[in-house]
Amino acid sequence: SQQGEEDPQALSIQEGENATMNCSYKTSINNLQWYRQNSGRGLVHLILIRSNEREKHSGRLRVTLDTSKKSSSLLITASRAADTASYFCATASNAGGTSYGKLTFGQGTILTVHP
Amino acid sequence: GAGVSQTPSNKVTEKGKYVELRCDPISGHTALYWYRQSLGQGPEFLIYFQGTGAADDSGLPNDRFFAVRPEGSVSTLKIQRTERGDSAVYLCASSAQGQLNTEAFFGQGTRLTVV
Repeated sequence: SQQGEEDPQALSIQEGENATMNCSYKTSINNLQWYRQNSGRGLVHLILIRSNEREKHSGRLRVTLDTSKKSSSLLITASRAADTASYFCATASNAGGTSYGKLTFGQGTILTVHP
Repeated sequence: GAGVSQTPSNKVTEKGKYVELRCDPISGHTALYWYRQSLGQGPEFLIYFQGTGAADDSGLPNDRFFAVRPEGSVSTLKIQRTERGDSAVYLCASSAQGQLNTEAFFGQGTRLTVV
């Protein structure tokens, strides 16, 4: 079953603009990860943020995590046409004694960046 | 190899037939995961291997689905008596040790179509 919701489901912007995607989840987590997927095939890991972290940066990516609201956001600054893809958040939880990286994914946001 | 390799890339089969999907993880990765992604959805967990053993098969939808990893490297996902509802992209991922905070590397997936 899906862990939660991603918002918006689809986002269309112009090159150079910033793109913000949000993710909500339902259970307590150990970490939250963001992945990118092109053309419905392989997933590429973008960034991992642990439950005791509030913000993390990687290049043009900025991720925030609010565990009190069970939500995260991914900001892509100065977007490029090549950023066009689907973006998924995924959570890893140690609930029930789980100690391995089993991921629960959201439904994804389809980002289109127009040149 | 350099990344996770999945074969075939595409598989079309008739309803009721048996199929095998292969995953070749990154060399040395002890953890291997299978996920299934239906159209417009995020990936859903199927099974996790640590070494040769299936440590968590709670995501397998029914007993038509089975996976093996006999030598702790290559894994095969087997689906018996395929149904049209099994049509999806099957994704494999591996990680170095499978711990909660380790990055998983995904293959390009096998797109299974049951006609």
